[in-house]
Amino acid sequence: AQSVTQLGSHVSVSEGALVLLRCNYSSSVPPYLFWYVQYPNQGLQLLLKYTSAATLVKGINGFEAEFKKSETSFHLTKPSAHMSDAAEYFCAVSESGGGYQKVTFGIGTKLQVIP
Amino acid sequence: EAGVTQFPSHSVIEKGQTVTLRCDPISGHDNLYWYRRVMGKEIKFLLHFVKESKQDESGMPNNRFLAERTGGTYSTLKVQPAELEDSGVYFCASSQGTGHRETQYFGPGTRLLVL
Repeated sequence: AQSVTQLGSHVSVSEGALVLLRCNYSSSVPPYLFWYVQYPNQGLQLLLKYTSAATLVKGINGFEAEFKKSETSFHLTKPSAHMSDAAEYFCAVSESGGGYQKVTFGIGTKLQVIP
Repeated sequence: EAGVTQFPSHSVIEKGQTVTLRCDPISGHDNLYWYRRVMGKEIKFLLHFVKESKQDESGMPNNRFLAERTGGTYSTLKVQPAELEDSGVYFCASSQGTGHRETQYFGPGTRLLVL
């Protein structure tokens, strides 16, 4: 069984400030981990994914996330927030291995960027 | 390259009516997934096709939901008869491959409101 907990359904940051979106996971097997973003009226877009290679994963638009096994965390960060980062962000997990990815999502975090 | 498309973008129906949602995956993608997000809740897995075969339908809520993928191309998800609790956003995703090579690409979703 696997699950994802996203701390904070709404996060507000000032433009230019650090973005930190928290995600903790639970998985009975080594996981694959993902961050997706959904802009208004659009589908989910993959920001980045961890598949057991480097623990620090760099994604699109300046985002990165670090896999910490000891803390079962996969927090998403960006050094400097931009107005265009306002969106809803989803952390997700699936089982690793050679099978298909049955993805379990967190509840989502809405990011507001204040000018 | 065209992305995953879904039709309709919005649907408002009355309880007891039938609705059919359509998903066109990215050309060449054998994997097709359906997910649903009920308002305020997580995005949840419904089912997974590999080509025209149902690989996993463990997330289907009940027998009022019927998914098909004739010919292994587009897929339909029919809800008959619709109930109030079926309201939500239905996402489709497609991918190719398995394991760490698989990346799911999501469509914009169909927003279903049952009155």
